[in-house]
Amino acid sequence: AQSVTQPDIHITVSEGASLELRCNYSYGATPYLFWYVQSPGQGLQLLLKYFSGDTLVQGIKGFEAEFKRSQSSFNLRKPSVHWSDAAEYFCAVGARGGSEKLVFGKGTKLTVNP
Amino acid sequence: EPEVTQTPSHQVTQMGQEVILRCVPISNHLYFYWYRQILGQKVEFLVSFYNNEISEKSEIFDDQFSVERPDGSNFTLKIRSTKLEDSAMYFCASSGSRGQPQHFGDGTRLSIL
Repeated sequence: AQSVTQPDIHITVSEGASLELRCNYSYGATPYLFWYVQSPGQGLQLLLKYFSGDTLVQGIKGFEAEFKRSQSSFNLRKPSVHWSDAAEYFCAVGARGGSEKLVFGKGTKLTVNP
Repeated sequence: EPEVTQTPSHQVTQMGQEVILRCVPISNHLYFYWYRQILGQKVEFLVSFYNNEISEKSEIFDDQFSVERPDGSNFTLKIRSTKLEDSAMYFCASSGSRGQPQHFGDGTRLSIL
């Protein structure tokens, strides 16, 4: 069964600083990988996805993530954070074939200081 | 952009009562899901639904839970006899095909008193 670890519960950055949110997964093969963002009181919005091919994927709002098979990681990055990026970020993994469910990490809450 | 819509946004129910949470998935999607998020915890899978039947369910999804697609647009989650521990945010999601991203609604916050 797949699992996801987001080691950072809470990260604080200054506006304009770069950001990297960590995600490690456990799965027997190459999974589908996703990052979702949840603003307070809102649902989960898909930021980006990795299915296959280029290991650096671009998403919405200037985010990107890099799949590293050797490290079982899918870290999310943004070169310059905006105050509106303050939210909770969830990494999720899906299996190829078989189960359709997504397995989520516990999330990383991002605070942006002015 | 098409959205998944959920109603109500907040539901308050007495313990032991039945509750139905409603979802309208994206219109051309074929796969439907329910997840829940207990306050402060991770998002957990409950059930997936395809071709008018449950394709997978988690251990959480016991006999108190059921899902239905009563018409061509709605997808519902029913909890027959609610417990305090059912208090959570419930998310509906849909996808167009296997392996495609799941698109989530804004959720229904269920509070059991």
